[in-house]
Amino acid sequence: EAGVAQSPRYKIIEKRQSVAFWCNPISGHATLYWYQQILGQGPKLLIQFQNNGVVDDSQLPKDRFSAERLKGVDSTLKIQPAKLEDSAVYLCASSRQTEQYFGPGTRLTVT
Amino acid sequence: AQSVTQPDIHITVSEGASLELRCNYSYGATPYLFWYVQSPGQGLQLLLKYFSGDTLVQGIKGFEAEFKRSQSSFNLRKPSVHWSDAAEYFCAVGFDSWGKLQFGAGTQVVVTP
Repeated sequence: EAGVAQSPRYKIIEKRQSVAFWCNPISGHATLYWYQQILGQGPKLLIQFQNNGVVDDSQLPKDRFSAERLKGVDSTLKIQPAKLEDSAVYLCASSRQTEQYFGPGTRLTVT
Repeated sequence: AQSVTQPDIHITVSEGASLELRCNYSYGATPYLFWYVQSPGQGLQLLLKYFSGDTLVQGIKGFEAEFKRSQSSFNLRKPSVHWSDAAEYFCAVGFDSWGKLQFGAGTQVVVTP
């Protein structure tokens, strides 16, 4: 089966600009996760969807980050406006039960 | 509060030698336990997982891990390391039924000839 797809793979923007990341989960996986992985750290969960509903967004900086999962399949994560500290790899994962499958990530550099 | 600790930031091991990576967690019950590997520029790949039952679990690529309840640990081992095992390894713990994971900070493994 096809894995989790993410795009773009790399993005460079200036601070205060906006950016959007896209994720297509594995077919049939109801749960979708967005993680932020800062260099030298483990991934940190930003938001978790069950179908198109939000299960947990407690660590999402809602003043600048937003995410949606329309129709319970693809998802988009947006940052507006970006700050220097948002430089990180943004990982998308999906699961049917407890095992999560990760995409390759999007490396964001904010200058 | 729940926490996951990987005490070793960086480990260097010779090819053919054994490898052990440590993971400790803090939680009032037995969580779900995972080890993931991340190669440069790649996403995370699941090596193995523990939910219940036999405390010694086998994974892919010749890795195994042992859950020790008394020590709140889930250490990863490989008897003989290959150069391709050079990567970053993350221990992850699931504390609830929704599947939310908390990751450790990772251990970078370098394999020398």
